[in-house]
Amino acid sequence: EVQLVQSGAEVKKPGESLKISCKCSGYRFATYWIAWVRQMPGKGLEWMGIIYPGDSDTAYGPSFEGQVTISTDKSTSTAYLQWSSLKASDTAMYYCARLGMAVAATFPSPDFWGQGTLVTVSS
Amino acid sequence: NFILTQPHSVSESPGKTVTISCTGNSGSIASNFVQWYQQRPGSAPTTVIYEDNQRPSGVPDRFSGSIDRSSNSASLTISGLKTEDEADYYCQSYDSSNSWVFGGGTKLTVL
Repeated sequence: EVQLVQSGAEVKKPGESLKISCKCSGYRFATYWIAWVRQMPGKGLEWMGIIYPGDSDTAYGPSFEGQVTISTDKSTSTAYLQWSSLKASDTAMYYCARLGMAVAATFPSPDFWGQGTLVTVSS
Repeated sequence: NFILTQPHSVSESPGKTVTISCTGNSGSIASNFVQWYQQRPGSAPTTVIYEDNQRPSGVPDRFSGSIDRSSNSASLTISGLKTEDEADYYCQSYDSSNSWVFGGGTKLTVL
């Protein structure tokens, strides 16, 4: 059974660093892209970026380039999203998703989602 | 900037059919595939349509997707509405750089 289990809620202060995780199981981790999506309180979905664990090929959304780092650890089948210096505006729910569905597309679509990690940044 | 515009909200009665639109502001929405996501209150999103009209395993055939080139829009149609369909629905496609673009979301009320 494919599962993406995200790390628990975090409360941080502005300027602090943070790394949240997305533990994947039930499939060959290295061969599926992982996406990260942000949802600010009461707002819609925003694409942060994607990573291919097999070779760490990564692409970031324009709003997130240079603001976050997406990485993976193949040894633990875990994807990560990290910040070096949080801002209050980083307060949001963050979702990971496996990209596993494709019929004709070059890029697969999400088929499994994590449950989300709530990050609260407040002084 | 490529923008996808959705109605803020729609409502319909149980058993009826509702259609949610997703209109692109430039280019041709048919140039890239469109996905649709359902997000129930307090839950993670799930994919209900991918590649314009493909239904993932487990999604009932009451859900269907289509593209209308004349209006540069994609549509999600849900027939035989059930109260469990009440959720936010988001369309998603890609811009010229292959970055994902989400619509603003549509709140579906089934009353």
